[in-house]
Formats: sequence, C-alpha cells, structure tokens
Amino acid sequence: GAVVSQHPSWVICKSGTSVKIECRSLDFQATTMFWYRQFPKQSLMLMATSNEGSKATYEQGVEKDKFLINHASLTLSTLTVTSAHPEDSSFYICSAQGGGAIQFFGPGTRLTVL
Amino acid sequence: KQEVTQIPAALSVPEGENLVLNCSFTDSAIYNLQWFRQDPGKGLTSLLLIQSSQREQTSGRLNASLDKSSGRSTLYIAASQPGDSATYLCAVALTGNQFYFGTGTSLTVIP
Repeated sequence: GAVVSQHPSWVICKSGTSVKIECRSLDFQATTMFWYRQFPKQSLMLMATSNEGSKATYEQGVEKDKFLINHASLTLSTLTVTSAHPEDSSFYICSAQGGGAIQFFGPGTRLTVL
Repeated sequence: KQEVTQIPAALSVPEGENLVLNCSFTDSAIYNLQWFRQDPGKGLTSLLLIQSSQREQTSGRLNASLDKSSGRSTLYIAASQPGDSATYLCAVALTGNQFYFGTGTSLTVIP
C-alpha cells in the first residue's frame, strides 16, 4: 500500500520557538493532504486540509497564523507551529490522498513544548 | 457538523472472545466509513473501509457493517487475541476528503 512518512517523529522545543513538521507521500502523488491533532486520550481532530499549490483550509477554531501549512509539491506538505507554547504539545498526524478516496496516514509526530 | 461517537470507551475481554465495537454518526449522508487501529503513541493503521453503497466488509477475523439510515457501524472481532489490544477508531467521511473521527474504543485482550 501507499506509504506516508513524517519527520521528525518526535521533537522537543522551548516555548516561543517555531517547529516545522514534514509529511511526505513516498510512492504516490498526493493532491490533498490533511493535518490532524490528537491530545492525550482523545481522538484525532482535523486541523486543516491542503491542496497542492493552493492555500490550506482551516477548521473552525484553528489559528491559521499559528499553524502555517505549505503544500508546495505533490509529495510534500509542511506544518509549522509558530511561537509554540506548552498547550501546543500534542501528537500531530498527517494523511495524504491521491486520486481515490482513501487517505493514507503518517506515523505521527509528537511535539513537546517546554 | 458530523458527530461520531464510539461505545464502549474501553473494553477488556479474555482471549478467545468475540466482541463488537460500536460507532454512531449524526449525518447519514456519508461518503465512506473507515475503521482504524492505533497502538499507543503510534499512527493509524487502516483496518476496513466501507463505501456508502456497501453494507459490510470483511478482512480475516474482522467484519465491519454499515447501516447508513440509522447512522451506525459495528466492528466485529472474532476470536480475540492479545495482539488485538489497541485503540480502535471509527472515522466518517462526508465527502471524499474530510474524515471525522470517533472518540475511540480502548481494547484490552487478556491472555
């Protein structure tokens, strides 16, 4: 099946710094990528949807200026958490969708903000 | 907005038992429904995908059913094994894109 990778798998940063998370589709072209956030013992919440070459669509309550999403190519989307704070600590998961309806999920990135 | 609920939130069973996980959703105009498994601290593993026109899907010991009109899906696991211990998530897509995830059922299979 299709493979989606994320980098890094975990990151620890100081409060106020910015962190970039990469999501790559390794063996297919992803026209659409999705970013989810999962807090401990909670389910995944969709943050934003990004289509290659266009601006991301953010879910209600997600600050677009804080969570910058770039989908510059058909195999790469990045999520940058700007001026991270401890409450941004979470598990971030991306998924990628090619021409069909199936989304393939990445392994996730655990962000800890000190 | 689509609301997805899973019952029970946690389940503990002895090895070998058959079990049923439940998922309900509020908007029946779904595109598809998918069941995932998530191990602690890990990403998602897709188990079964049911298109809106289908009523069930089977893979090995797993069987998922879909009743759109009542807004329900069930995941049946036969002859449970300790390796089945994980959190099971149900996700509903209203279009071909956006998934709305349920709250999850944490399953523990006791050897």
